[in-house]
Amino acid sequence: DAGVIQSPRHEVTEMGQEVTLRCKPISGHDYLFWYRQTMMRGLELLIYFNNNVPIDDSGMPEDRFSAKMPNASFSTLKIQPSEPRDSAVYFCASSLYENTEAFFGQGTRLTVV
Amino acid sequence: GQQVMQIPQYQHVQEGEDFTTYCNSSTTLSNIQWYKQRPGGHPVFLIQLVKSGEVKKQKRLTFQFGEAKKNSSLHITATQTTDVGTYFCAGPGGTSYGKLTFGQGTILTVHP
Repeated sequence: DAGVIQSPRHEVTEMGQEVTLRCKPISGHDYLFWYRQTMMRGLELLIYFNNNVPIDDSGMPEDRFSAKMPNASFSTLKIQPSEPRDSAVYFCASSLYENTEAFFGQGTRLTVV
Repeated sequence: GQQVMQIPQYQHVQEGEDFTTYCNSSTTLSNIQWYKQRPGGHPVFLIQLVKSGEVKKQKRLTFQFGEAKKNSSLHITATQTTDVGTYFCAGPGGTSYGKLTFGQGTILTVHP
């Protein structure tokens, strides 16, 4: 398996634009996580899914953020409209079961100018 | 919600010195995981501890889970420049059993 695949690797966008980050988890993994990493706030859990169903989205900062998982092999994190403070590295991770090893993608570095 | 607190935030050592990072929780953890993130990279799983008082070793790395399952530590003996990176502990968060929340991490710098 190629591991967790995220795209794009880098994204630079202007404030107010819509941004969509994509993730392909490892096949067969039941759990999918979206994290945001900044120097100030560390590695924050935004939302996670179990069997494509969102379980906990309490980490989503505000209504500008939304995440979907239409099927077991694909998830998106959308920011609309984007703001400079959204600049961060966004990681997607998947795990086989609850509380087992999480495999991270390479991350998407988002810069909002 | 449940949080894991990690100290220190930074640690600078000379190559060959030992290093320890600590993770503490206000509530009992069912398990704890440790990850390493190299500069510019992504977190990579190191180990999971489940049992009270558990101790596991990986070469120069020693992981411990406290008797009360509220704290954990990672100790590196005789650090090498390849140990540079950020070390995170992670555990289940709050009432959502599958939730995986990370500590703030300890950034390790090793001077040759």
